[in-house]
Amino acid sequence: DIQMTQSPSTLSASVGDRVTITCRASQSISSWVAWYQQKPGKAPKLLIYKASILESGVPSRFSGSGSGTEYTLSISSLQPDDFATYYCQLYNSYPCTFGQGTELEIK
Amino acid sequence: QVQLVESGGGVVQPGRSLRLSCAASGFTFSSYAIHWVRQAPGKGLEWVAVISYDGINKYYADSVKGRFTISRDNSKNRLSLQMNSLRGDDTAVYYCARDRQLYDFWSGLPGFWGQGTMVTVSS
Repeated sequence: DIQMTQSPSTLSASVGDRVTITCRASQSISSWVAWYQQKPGKAPKLLIYKASILESGVPSRFSGSGSGTEYTLSISSLQPDDFATYYCQLYNSYPCTFGQGTELEIK
Repeated sequence: QVQLVESGGGVVQPGRSLRLSCAASGFTFSSYAIHWVRQAPGKGLEWVAVISYDGINKYYADSVKGRFTISRDNSKNRLSLQMNSLRGDDTAVYYCARDRQLYDFWSGLPGFWGQGTMVTVSS
């Protein structure tokens, strides 16, 4: 099975900062990567799929990029609502695998 | 609007069984694959199982294969997860999630999630 290694596990940042989260796959996955946001006690929310396609209704400050084995989620100007945990996910094959998560906390 | 409501969680002893349900509304249930994804307390997300829109194809994570069974009733807009031989490491919030893509079993992209139901396996 393909493994997804996400980093960092924790990220401290301030409102207005630009941040980047990275996900590395154990082999090339042809951009079959999604990103989710989860707030405490809530269900995950799909943000981005196919590495860079923004889900409907997601603010444009979120963006995704990457190819091959390395993918990134960027938030261009952090808003208070963005402090949450973020997960990458390999899809388009089973088992679909999630990264370990990145907790984005207020500095 | 799209709604998924899980039920059936609770406290169960190791080795016993539990059946989870997911009631769907606000979309054409029979057109989408549906997933179960779980999250142990304080941990990350773990994909558990998927069933195709017509109920014919199913796939399981190795951790639950042979113990869990996913099924659906399209006439009732309902998904189920039968969990047998439960273990302590099955303790988690269980989410049902609709795939983002129509009629695509192999998509593997949970696009809309319910709020989850908690399962605790403990003696």
